[in-house]
Amino acid sequence: AQTVTQSQPEMSVQEAETVTLSCTYDTSESDYYLFWYKQPPSRQMILVIRQEAYKQQNATENRFSVNFQKAAKSFSLKISDSQLGDAAMYFCAFFSTTGNQFYFGTGTSLTVIP
Amino acid sequence: ETGVTQSPTHLIKTRGQQVTLRCSSQSGHNTVSWYQQALGQGPQFIFQYYREEENGRGNFPPRFSGLQFPNYSSELNVNALELDDSALYLCASSRGTGGLVGYGYTFGSGTRLTVV
Repeated sequence: AQTVTQSQPEMSVQEAETVTLSCTYDTSESDYYLFWYKQPPSRQMILVIRQEAYKQQNATENRFSVNFQKAAKSFSLKISDSQLGDAAMYFCAFFSTTGNQFYFGTGTSLTVIP
Repeated sequence: ETGVTQSPTHLIKTRGQQVTLRCSSQSGHNTVSWYQQALGQGPQFIFQYYREEENGRGNFPPRFSGLQFPNYSSELNVNALELDDSALYLCASSRGTGGLVGYGYTFGSGTRLTVV
C-alpha cells in the first residue's frame, strides 16, 4: 500500500519570501507520479506541479519547484516570491498507475503574511 | 471548456437516510473518480468510473455505490448514512485512466455532506 506523509500541519511565510513544504511517501511501485495540489477555501483541488518518477530532473512551474529525491522517497515543494494568493491548504499526492487513484497526504496549511 | 460541476454544494441528512450526489465531467473527459475528504484529512479514493463501468474501488463499503451515464456524468449514492460519512465529497474527471495521467485530472469544488 502507498502512504503519503506531510509532517507540517501549518506553515507561514512572509510575502515575497521563499517557503518549502515537505512530503515523504512510501511505495513498492517503480512507475508512479507525484503531485502537489492546492486547495483554497473554494475547495477545488488545483494542480500546482507534477513530477514523473522516471525523470531525474526536478519539475518547475514558474515560482513553484520541487526537490524530488527518489531514493529517499522525498518530494518537497518550494514556493519562491510568495504571494497572498498562495495562501491555501497544500496536499502532496502519489498517483498509482496500477490502481488508477491518488493517495493524498493530510495537507499543510500555508499562511502568507503581508 | 467547462470544468467539473458538482451538485448540490451543501447537504444535510439524517443518519440512516440515503443520499445522491451528482457530478458533470469536464468536456472531453470520459472518466470520473470520487473522493471523500473528512475534516482535516486528505481526500480518500472511493471509486472510479470509465465507460459506465466501475474501474477501481477504494476501501469503502458496498453502501457507497455509483453510476456513470452515457454523457460521462456520474452519481455517487450512499445508503444507510452514518455520522462518519460527514465529509466533503470531491469528483474528478479525466480523459482516460491509469497511465494516461498526462491528460490530467480536473477536480470539482465538492459537495459538503453533513449527517446528523
